[in-house]
Amino acid sequence: EVQVLESGGGLVQPGGSLRLSCAASGFSFNNYGMSWVRQAPGKGLEWVSGVSGGVGSAYYADSVKGRFTVSRDNSKNTLYLQMNSLRAEDTAVYYCARNYGSGSYYAVDYWGQGTLVTVSS
Amino acid sequence: QTVVTQEPSFSVSPGGTVILTCGLSSGSVSTTNYPSWYQQTPGQAPRTLIYSTNTRSSGVPDRFSGSILGNKAALTITGAQADDESHYYCVLYMGSGIWVFGGGTKLTVL
Repeated sequence: EVQVLESGGGLVQPGGSLRLSCAASGFSFNNYGMSWVRQAPGKGLEWVSGVSGGVGSAYYADSVKGRFTVSRDNSKNTLYLQMNSLRAEDTAVYYCARNYGSGSYYAVDYWGQGTLVTVSS
Repeated sequence: QTVVTQEPSFSVSPGGTVILTCGLSSGSVSTTNYPSWYQQTPGQAPRTLIYSTNTRSSGVPDRFSGSILGNKAALTITGAQADDESHYYCVLYMGSGIWVFGGGTKLTVL
């Protein structure tokens, strides 16, 4: 069974940093692209970042480019999102998700349950 | 900045058919945008319905179907049921690894 499980969310002050992790199981992690999607309270879904399978080319939404870094450790079946210079508008539930293929044009098929990040003083 | 457009809300009667659409503020949606559709109920993670225009995700009933209609992607729900009442989101591939979600459609079944 495909599973992705996020961790690392919490309360952080504006300007601070946080690293999210996503543990994957039930599939050959190396062969699939992965994505981070967020949802601010009461708002819609926003694609944040993606990484292709294998060596992992990374892609970012303009809203987080230069502040967030996505990475993957295929030996640990784990995806990461390093979030720096956090702003109040980054407050959201962050979902880790598997894409249905390796390349960047494969959309999400399996979703985690999400982890809440709150940026507030 | 390209915006992905969806109807903010829609209503359908039980047993009826509804077509939700997903467009671009500039230009037409095509299969090379790999349109995908997701269903989300409050407090839950999204559920994948359709990817790559018209491929149903595992376990999704065949009353959900995807297509390109005119210059938009479309999600058709036939035989609407009460538990189809949800938010529906589309996402489009813009190239260079970038995806953009639409604002979502709140579907009411009544």
